[in-house]
Amino acid sequence: EVQLVQSGGGWVQPGGSLRLSCAASGFIFSYYDMHWVRQATGKGLEWVSSIGTAGDTYYPGSVKGRFTVSRENAKNSLYLQMNSLRAGDTAVYYCAREIHYGSGGYIFDIWGQGTMVTVSS
Amino acid sequence: SSEMTQDPAVSVALGQTVTITCQGDSLRSYPATWYQRKPGQAPLLVIYGRNNRPSGIPDRFSGSTSGNTASLTITGAQAEDEADYYCNSRDSSGIHVLFGGGTKLTVL
Repeated sequence: EVQLVQSGGGWVQPGGSLRLSCAASGFIFSYYDMHWVRQATGKGLEWVSSIGTAGDTYYPGSVKGRFTVSRENAKNSLYLQMNSLRAGDTAVYYCAREIHYGSGGYIFDIWGQGTMVTVSS
Repeated sequence: SSEMTQDPAVSVALGQTVTITCQGDSLRSYPATWYQRKPGQAPLLVIYGRNNRPSGIPDRFSGSTSGNTASLTITGAQAEDEADYYCNSRDSSGIHVLFGGGTKLTVL
């Protein structure tokens, strides 16, 4: 079965760090670009990071310099290291697989189950 | 522009047709994708590209794009369609991912 299983998350104080993991199974993990997406309570979906098959990484301005996405293909795993966490980072975090289609199109076809990150004193 | 704009909320009577729209300059260059999200669940892909539905998505869901506006239409809305719907594409760089603010659909 093709799936992404997340772990990590929890509660951390402002300024603290947390690492999320996403374990892939049922497909050749190294073939796919991967992403992290979050949703704060009462807010919409927000893209957090992406990592290409070659290890190239991208971030929005809201997390750039604080979050680091990485992958370990030998372990079929995706990670998100979150440092200098703020209350505004409190959200459910999802990992997602990207697949391409047609000319320039892409979709997130497989999502993890989500993991809650709470940043509070 | 690096934003995509959706109406915050839309309602539809059971069995009627509703269209949810998403506006953004990047939609002139990159195709839109639509996700459905229900409380406590991961987002679910419902429409991508010109008008493509993944396996398992009912054919009452359809999509279209004209200029800078993408539309998701539900023809004959059902109670189980009540959810938040998000459009998704790339920004003008083609690298960064964009989500619309989401539209809460209420089926009356």
